[in-house]
Amino acid sequence: NAGVTQTPKFRILKIGQSMTLQCAQDMNHNYMYWYRQDPGMGLKLIYYSVGAGITDKGEVPNGYNVSRSTTEYFPLRLELAAPSQTSVYFCASTKRQILASMEKLFFGSGTQLSVL
Amino acid sequence: GQQLNQSPQSMFIQEGEDVSMNCTSSSIFNTWLWYKQDPGEGPVLLIALYKAGELTSNGRLTAQFGITRKDSFLNISASIPSDVGIYFCAGVVSYNTDKLIFGTGTRLQVFP
Repeated sequence: NAGVTQTPKFRILKIGQSMTLQCAQDMNHNYMYWYRQDPGMGLKLIYYSVGAGITDKGEVPNGYNVSRSTTEYFPLRLELAAPSQTSVYFCASTKRQILASMEKLFFGSGTQLSVL
Repeated sequence: GQQLNQSPQSMFIQEGEDVSMNCTSSSIFNTWLWYKQDPGEGPVLLIALYKAGELTSNGRLTAQFGITRKDSFLNISASIPSDVGIYFCAGVVSYNTDKLIFGTGTRLQVFP
């Protein structure tokens, strides 16, 4: 299994440009998440989804949009990139609720985004 | 919103030493998780804690869920060079949500 796959690994954007960060998982996980990690900081939740067609805001959703048309894919969209969105973005997934049994949150390897 | 404060921010230790780090919050959490992040990678789960007072081990790692449900501790015994990385605590806010709140991380450096 590939697990959680994120593309691209690196990207540089100009202010005002738009882009989509791709995330795919092949584990048939229902729950998917997008986090951002600023230098020296922990991860902050941007958006999450508990299943296809269902998305909800996390702690820092402003400036981002998501969609979940299928179980496998959970893309994150930046419409008007701003320098404050320079960060490392992690996608993650889990089969069921985190509180269920010993379910783990599987992370992708991240997308490093710079907005100049 | 909820915040998790981790300490220390960074540690520089010699191989073979024991390590202790903790995570505190002003809010109650129902689940505590400890993750390790290697450079250029996503975090990997080390230990999950589900009950107040719970003490759980995973090899040389031991973690505890504080009785007040507002803190958690991670200990690493007999550190080795591959323990280098950033350790994050994370808390699940409530049973009705799957939002994980992450701490600010403890950066561990182990010298041979």
